[in-house]
Amino acid sequence: DQQVKQNSPSLSVQEGRISILNCDYTNSMFDYFLWYKKYPAEGPTFLISISSIKDKNEDGRFTVFLNKSAKHLSLHIVPSQPGDSAVYFCAPPFFGNEKLTFGTGTRLTIIP
Amino acid sequence: DTGVSQDPRHKITKRGQNVTFRCDPISEHNRLYWYRQTLGQGPEFLTYFQNEAQLEKSRLLSDRFSAERPKGSFSTLEIQRTEQGDSAMYLCASSLASGNTIYFGEGSWLTVV
Repeated sequence: DQQVKQNSPSLSVQEGRISILNCDYTNSMFDYFLWYKKYPAEGPTFLISISSIKDKNEDGRFTVFLNKSAKHLSLHIVPSQPGDSAVYFCAPPFFGNEKLTFGTGTRLTIIP
Repeated sequence: DTGVSQDPRHKITKRGQNVTFRCDPISEHNRLYWYRQTLGQGPEFLTYFQNEAQLEKSRLLSDRFSAERPKGSFSTLEIQRTEQGDSAMYLCASSLASGNTIYFGEGSWLTVV
């Protein structure tokens, strides 16, 4: 029973346009979320996080939005670049528990 | 390089053989995690250590799997009597106990033939 879900397994976006990746969660106790990016044959790398005291966190081309009432967060990438093609995972901040773990990921493909 | 390092990066082994992976965490991190990832899935939690103590183990960690962190620094993950279903990427990560973010290594690919 995953408490963090990414319902879109894949997404294709034209280079230069905005990419929006979504994540839903069920546990209202979650107060912090992270996004990781993973290239094939490499480990995930930390991308950006957001605390529940904020509804937005921005870092360069990456912005994460948190809607606590909807239990939904989204990662916006603008403008999208070919190097952004990867799998993106959202995760709650509890890493020592098999039930509180990563979403299944969204594979983002940026089309040149 | 002061990131998490894993060795070997790739391992091909025959079914029934034992394999061992090593992980060196970021030096000041006292928590160390092992995950497994297969195609189309997110990282699946296996176990984690705080210093040398193994604090949590997933149901995925069958009795053929054992992890150690004897001195609270590097860790090993051993898989005995490997099966084809063990083929996956094994990921190590580390964090501070007080931290909200974990940092992954490059992963160790296991192929059981």
